[in-house]
Amino acid sequence: RKEVEQDPGPFNVPEGATVAFNCTYSNSASQSFFWYRQDCRKEPKLLMSVYSSGNEDGRFTAQLNRASQYISLLIRDSKLSDSATYLCVVNIDALRPGGSYIPTFGRGTSLIVHP
Amino acid sequence: NAGVTQTPKFRVLKTGQSMTLLCAQDMNHEYMYWYRQDPGMGLRLIHYSVGEGTTAKGEVPDGYNVSRLKKQNFLLGLESAAPSQTSVYFCASSYSTSSEQFFGPGTRLTVL
Repeated sequence: RKEVEQDPGPFNVPEGATVAFNCTYSNSASQSFFWYRQDCRKEPKLLMSVYSSGNEDGRFTAQLNRASQYISLLIRDSKLSDSATYLCVVNIDALRPGGSYIPTFGRGTSLIVHP
Repeated sequence: NAGVTQTPKFRVLKTGQSMTLLCAQDMNHEYMYWYRQDPGMGLRLIHYSVGEGTTAKGEVPDGYNVSRLKKQNFLLGLESAAPSQTSVYFCASSYSTSSEQFFGPGTRLTVL
């Protein structure tokens, strides 16, 4: 079982819709969580960090549920420009002396917003 | 600030050839990473470095070697390229493992 799992989609939604993605992780000791956005043939870019208390940035809301081991991303009032792949990242204990957490990516969820 | 840069942007190799991909960052980050991205597979970590002179294996290290002789540079080497190494390679850097990663624009490698 992959350590970080996402529904690949695609999620095909009309402009103005609200859409939500979930990402599950298997390591309960995971420390840090992020959502990245990746446009076609481009590098990933940070969309938002995910904090225990949840966080909101304009139309985007991210939440963490440690008990059920998932993070979520909610996009309200979808725009055409939101069409992209959304990557979930979880930092997982590398279990090495000195300790370091290494980022592990989900496979991404594709979002297509149509007129 | 250039951020993270990668050279080359594109490369075609024949099976058995060798090459080195160069990643450079100007943000004084300690952590640097090499990923490969294949269709439907997401980004998979090849090797990473937690500081100058240190490297560690990631999820898919076989067939690759790395070096971090200078803090700002992280090199990825393919000693004997195979068609299975056809992929898009991304380099990234971060201040710490709990902070944002900054990615380079990627290198598109084809091995024939």
